[in-house]
Amino acid sequence: SQQGEEDPQALSIQEGENATMNCSYKTSINNLQWYRQNSGRGLVHLILIRSNEREKHSGRLRVTLDTSKKSSSLLITASRAADTASYFCATGKTSYDKVIFGPGTSLSVIP
Amino acid sequence: SQTIHQWPATLVQPVGSPLSLECTVEGTSNPNLYWYRQAAGRGLQLLFYSVGIGQISSEVPQNLSASRPQDRQFILSSKKLLLSDSGFYLCAWSPTETQYFGPGTRLLVL
Repeated sequence: SQQGEEDPQALSIQEGENATMNCSYKTSINNLQWYRQNSGRGLVHLILIRSNEREKHSGRLRVTLDTSKKSSSLLITASRAADTASYFCATGKTSYDKVIFGPGTSLSVIP
Repeated sequence: SQTIHQWPATLVQPVGSPLSLECTVEGTSNPNLYWYRQAAGRGLQLLFYSVGIGQISSEVPQNLSASRPQDRQFILSSKKLLLSDSGFYLCAWSPTETQYFGPGTRLLVL
């Protein structure tokens, strides 16, 4: 299975600290995406990184991809209480294929 | 701009009753469409996806079915609900890789 597995399952930090979440997958991929889900809501796309990229930034988000280790990390810098949510990685084998979501990391940012 | 709608937002149904959840997308044509189910505190399970009208791929064998009668309409159905069908159902569309999600339907089967 190409399913991503996030680590840790749950993370609790103080506001202002950085939060790092990891995702590992099993088979070769075309792209890896990170999504955020606030409680009881739909998922929101955060960032996509392709297999030929190593790092991408978007605001306070930094994503890295290591295809040799089949892993990715999502770093949220200077966290805010509003960052409290579940974060999911999703992997795709091709540009037009379905993606497979991991079980997610639950992030709590304490004010 | 594109928008995706799902309804109803919440649904409480007795075991054995039928189900119909609807998802529509505006502002795009020929999108890929997806139905997911999410158990409480868990990840997303892909149920069905469609790349065009009448084209449905099933990911998990179960008592649910999906149909795409129009280009931007995706319907999730069941003839007889089971207790295990309870969960949060999410519809999504994608032009390529990125998926855009609807607000979800919370289904409770009693």
